[in-house]
Amino acid sequence: DIQMTQSPSSLSASVGDRVTITCQASQDISNYLNWYQQKPGKAPKLLIYDASNLETGVPSRFSGSGSGTDFTFTISSLQPEDIATYYCQQYDNLPPAFGQGTKLEIK
Amino acid sequence: QVQLVQSGAEVKKPGASVKVSCKASGYTFTGYYMHWVRQAPGQGLEWMGRINPNSGGTNYAQKFQGRVTMTRDTSISTAYMELSRLRSDDTAVYYCAREAQPHSGYEDWGQGTLVTVSS
Repeated sequence: DIQMTQSPSSLSASVGDRVTITCQASQDISNYLNWYQQKPGKAPKLLIYDASNLETGVPSRFSGSGSGTDFTFTISSLQPEDIATYYCQQYDNLPPAFGQGTKLEIK
Repeated sequence: QVQLVQSGAEVKKPGASVKVSCKASGYTFTGYYMHWVRQAPGQGLEWMGRINPNSGGTNYAQKFQGRVTMTRDTSISTAYMELSRLRSDDTAVYYCAREAQPHSGYEDWGQGTLVTVSS
């Protein structure tokens, strides 16, 4: 099974900051990497699919990049409503695996 | 619009079984895999398995093999996840999620069903 290593596990940043989260796969997953946002008590929401494609309706301050084993998720200018936990997910093959999550807080 | 509506919260005793339903609307139910993902309190997301609603074919995570059964009823566009021999560490929110495009994640999620396992 493919393992996903996501970092950091938590992050504190100020409104307007650029925020970056990384995800590393244990083997090549091409670009089959997705990013989700989860707010407390809510289901996850797909933000980025296939490493860099923005889901419809998602603000352009969110972006993703990478291929192979190393991936990056970026919020270009942090907004208060971005406070959430973010997860990466590989879906190159079964079982789809999630990273451990990054809890994002406002400083 | 796509909607996935799950059944309500459950409280079960250790050793019992639970069956969670996920009623789909707004799209062709048989056209897309349905996945099940769970989240223990304060923990991350854990994939349990998926079902092809067209064929009924399933793939389960190794961890749940022998304890989980995913089924569907195409006449009412509903997917089911049954977990047996429940333990306290099965206490979690269980989500169904639709795979809209191959490999491209889950565009749509149910609201989640809290299953509490307690004696």
